[in-house]
Amino acid sequence: GENVEQHPSTLSVQEGDSAVIKCTYSDSASNYFPWYKQELGKGPQLIIDIRSNVGEKKDQRIAVTLNKTAKHFSLHITETQPEDSAVYFCAANSGYSTLTFGKGTMLLVSP
Amino acid sequence: EAGVAQSPRYKIIEKRQSVAFWCNPISGHATLYWYQQILGQGPKLLIQFQNNGVVDDSQLPKDRFSAERLKGVDSTLKIQPAKLEDSAVYLCASSRQGIQETQYFGPGTRLLVL
Repeated sequence: GENVEQHPSTLSVQEGDSAVIKCTYSDSASNYFPWYKQELGKGPQLIIDIRSNVGEKKDQRIAVTLNKTAKHFSLHITETQPEDSAVYFCAANSGYSTLTFGKGTMLLVSP
Repeated sequence: EAGVAQSPRYKIIEKRQSVAFWCNPISGHATLYWYQQILGQGPKLLIQFQNNGVVDDSQLPKDRFSAERLKGVDSTLKIQPAKLEDSAVYLCASSRQGIQETQYFGPGTRLLVL
């Protein structure tokens, strides 16, 4: 089955800096890669996703890049704000629509 | 539109007791998922329904966990008997029918087994 590795486990940045979270996956058949943000006491919420037919996707301050050859994808957050502080999860699909999640990255943005 | 609803939000039980969780997905969503999220880890899929049929339950500990989705809408997840290692947040998610559809998560039920 699919295995997703996520790094780093924790990330501390100053407000206004950029943050980068990286994930690798094992199943070369995977073709859908969503990123979720989870705030304390809440369920994960989709923030951006990318499919295997593109290499990069941007949505305002958030971008995701995908390298299918190397089987890794990354989340980039620019101009970070304190409200970006949360746990971020990457995921990759396997099978029909099953998602395998990484272990998460706790992002702390200090004012 | 209303989001995924789950109840209860918190549950404390003793080991060997039974517990049940309820989920109401977003209206019109054909696919429903139950995940287990242990502290400090990502969600792990327990079972996936497409309408009222099971698509994937390969990671469901079937000796103690069961789930049903009658009429293809609401779903319940049951644990009987509970073990200490079942302490976790149980998340329900739903998506429209189809591949690569966004999964929308509920707030989860936090279970503590003593």
